Amino acid sequence: EPEVTQTPSHQVTQMGQEVILRCVPISNHLYFYWYRQILGQKVEFLVSFYNNEISEKSEIFDDQFSVERPDGSNFTLKIRSTKLEDSAMYFCASKRGGAYNEQFFGPGTRLTVL
Amino acid sequence: SQQGEEDPQALSIQEGENATMNCSYKTSINNLQWYRQNSGRGLVHLILIRSNEREKHSGRLRVTLDTSKKSSSLLITASRAADTASYFCATGHNTGNQFYFGTGTSLTVIP
Repeated sequence: EPEVTQTPSHQVTQMGQEVILRCVPISNHLYFYWYRQILGQKVEFLVSFYNNEISEKSEIFDDQFSVERPDGSNFTLKIRSTKLEDSAMYFCASKRGGAYNEQFFGPGTRLTVL
Repeated sequence: SQQGEEDPQALSIQEGENATMNCSYKTSINNLQWYRQNSGRGLVHLILIRSNEREKHSGRLRVTLDTSKKSSSLLITASRAADTASYFCATGHNTGNQFYFGTGTSLTVIP
């Protein structure tokens, strides 16, 4: 069964460093998302991406964040200068679109900023 | 806020019993989804119910939706220890593509 994959599973970085989180959405899906979940808190929407551009973003998704679909399969989230409060689980999700609204999540990347 | 809110926040039951979790939301939805999350792991999609549906079943799961009350419930029948996890509802709205997650119900099934 197709699934969303994410790499790495765990990323440790120093404050101020850039990180790139990678996702491979399900191949025939058209909508892509990033969410984050700070430990013990709810899942928060960051950004949605459709037709090679950002369709929506939340207040969390400031200038330090960017997304890219560099090729036909990968979807990346870049944090330019990480802060301690960026430590969280980051989930990628994809949705086929149209009448199919189920959003499927990857296993997440745990980002730890020291 | 459009985010769903689940209740109870925590639920502890014996194996074999049924578990019911509720989700309430504030604005009109297009659909509502339930997810399961095992501790420290990813979100597993359980079931989607559209705004024009009232009830949906999948195995031991039964989801109801009452749009007049802006609420949904997830029933897990004949619970098993492996059902121990956090359960989240996520609402999809007519405006935009994002989903809004609730705070979750932590379910513990005691063997």
